[in-house]
Amino acid sequence: LAKTTQPISMDSYEGQEVNITCSHNNIATNDYITWYQQFPSQGPRFIIQGYKTKVTNEVASLFIPADRKSSTLSLPRVSLSDTAVYYCLVGDTGRRALTFGSGTRLQVQP
Amino acid sequence: AAGVIQSPRHLIKEKRETATLKCYPIPRHDTVYWYQQGPGQDPQFLISFYEKMQSDKGSIPDRFSAQQFSDYHSELNMSSLELGDSALYFCASSLDRQGRDTEAFFGQGTRLTVV
Repeated sequence: LAKTTQPISMDSYEGQEVNITCSHNNIATNDYITWYQQFPSQGPRFIIQGYKTKVTNEVASLFIPADRKSSTLSLPRVSLSDTAVYYCLVGDTGRRALTFGSGTRLQVQP
Repeated sequence: AAGVIQSPRHLIKEKRETATLKCYPIPRHDTVYWYQQGPGQDPQFLISFYEKMQSDKGSIPDRFSAQQFSDYHSELNMSSLELGDSALYFCASSLDRQGRDTEAFFGQGTRLTVV
């Protein structure tokens, strides 16, 4: 089971780009990297998933270096509504379980 | 689009009572997960089901049990409730993709308060 390490918290301002990096040194060959967003008292919501290089969707980009020991979630031009906790999930290959570590609490200021 | 439905949304129970939480997954999803999230804590995996069979277990207390029924809805049964069981309980569902990590869809949760 790959363990992930993320910053506990980050602060930003509206309109800025936010990059949240996750370390996962023990990632297995078959593991994907998935990011979830959670607002207070709501269930986590899938943001993006990738295996290597770069993945982009309508809300975020995910950058994964060649060694896959880390990944960076990039949120372009954040708004106040992006204030949430962001979780990086890795592994659980072969298991039907999503293991949440300690996420990053992002606070966006006006 | 249909989402994961959980009921009830709020539940208040006394210590030593029992509680049953229900989850209705997204149609055609074959995997259901249960999570517990205490105040200020991260979601903790409890148990999962695949095609109505128990798949994996996490940190689920022995006082808790769960099952998935023929219509794919799932129930989490909690007995001998303790104050520390007060938490948000989330259910999630996904479509298994032959071992590849999948996107799980979470419900709105049931807030259980034990008094």
